[in-house]
Amino acid sequence: ETGVTQTPRHLVMGMTNKKSLKCEQHLGHNAMYWYKQSAKKPLELMFVYSLEERVENNSVPSRFSPECPNSSHLFLHLHTLQPEDSALYLCASSYLTGRDSGYTFGSGTRLTVV
Amino acid sequence: QQQVKQSPQSLIVQKGGIPIINCAYENTAFDYFPWYQQFPGKGPALLIAIRPDVSEKKEGRFTISFNKSAKQFSLHIMDSQPGDSATYFCAASEGTDKLIFGTGTRLQVFP
Repeated sequence: ETGVTQTPRHLVMGMTNKKSLKCEQHLGHNAMYWYKQSAKKPLELMFVYSLEERVENNSVPSRFSPECPNSSHLFLHLHTLQPEDSALYLCASSYLTGRDSGYTFGSGTRLTVV
Repeated sequence: QQQVKQSPQSLIVQKGGIPIINCAYENTAFDYFPWYQQFPGKGPALLIAIRPDVSEKKEGRFTISFNKSAKQFSLHIMDSQPGDSATYFCAASEGTDKLIFGTGTRLQVFP
């Protein structure tokens, strides 16, 4: 384990379902991120939380709704998804600007929308 | 302006070879350039990073070369091993947050 834990590891959901992805870190980091990883595409930054406040929302459809209740936990709430939303969703955490320790990623949730 | 272009998409080398992966960027405000390594079923992990005040950085068998005027940087893996087989991502950012990633290079090292 890297220190960033994502659950579930795999998720299959219908287009009318509502589900949530969970991310947890106990590294003392104060920034958390959601990335989407699709085949042959760059990792796409979805959301950034800095000190528990959302500081970035990269034109992500409203069917994705993030929540950061504290500095250790990050959620991604999903509803009425489309098949093209099937991807690996990665959570990462880091210190805020100024340190070169980089991001620590979780192992991701493999999401399949049917 | 925000893109990071990475090549090649895939790379096959024999054990002991020196694979080279290249990245190019446009945004001159970028000042942090990390490389990440991803094995199947795992998230990316930080491998090595460089700032534009140096032209080269080595950590073990991994070397980053940085050309500020050309806005390019590359990863060299010396004496590559089958265990280095993975997908490699370059990235760039202004500061160390909000990384912009390349499309990835799938490296296969054969014995």
